[in-house]
Amino acid sequence: NAGVTQTPKFQVLKTGQSMTLQCAQDMNHEYMSWYRQDPGMGLRLIHYSVGAGITDQGEVPNGYNVSRSTTEDFPLRLLSAAPSQTSVYFCASAYRGRIYGYTFGSGTRLTVV
Amino acid sequence: AQSVTQPDIHITVSEGASLELRCNYSYGATPYLFWYVQSPGQGLQLLLKYFSGDTLVQGIKGFEAEFKRSQSSFNLRKPSVHWSDAAEYFCAVGAQRGADGLTFGKGTHLIIQP
Repeated sequence: NAGVTQTPKFQVLKTGQSMTLQCAQDMNHEYMSWYRQDPGMGLRLIHYSVGAGITDQGEVPNGYNVSRSTTEDFPLRLLSAAPSQTSVYFCASAYRGRIYGYTFGSGTRLTVV
Repeated sequence: AQSVTQPDIHITVSEGASLELRCNYSYGATPYLFWYVQSPGQGLQLLLKYFSGDTLVQGIKGFEAEFKRSQSSFNLRKPSVHWSDAAEYFCAVGAQRGADGLTFGKGTHLIIQP
């Protein structure tokens, strides 16, 4: 049981490049969400999903896209990277109906130069 | 929309002393409340959660939290801290039974003095 797996752990992008941050969970969790963590800002919700085929925007969605084609995977796409997207990104998942709290991945540290 | 306030950015406590970290939330319905801890360079670990019932909840690592609806608070406590408790602590609230993710406070950085 691997929990929530995020890849890559570190990434450097040039301004304007695109990339996908991967998130996979093997716990059959219905709920999944993406957050970014910036110093002094806590974690802010980017996008979330309540199940396969269903996604919605969080607090800071601009510049990011998501899709949920399977229960296990919830990739986050940066369309055209900007220095303001330099951050640590966390993916999390949770059961629907039985609230045990969200399980978090170990994060992806992204630097945009 | 819900919100969470953690009034203390930094707290310094001597090893062996008691600890209380403050959390105030804003949410119109019954809140789902959580405390997470983050060690440097690590992900977030769930300490405890509250949904309903007993307002004093016990968590891992000797932590507890008390839900006070009248004060919109969910403060985290520990009777005696250890050097290994030094970390960043986040309070979070979930609406819709957590379906639409969590709203976090900005965190409290806990420093333990020997």
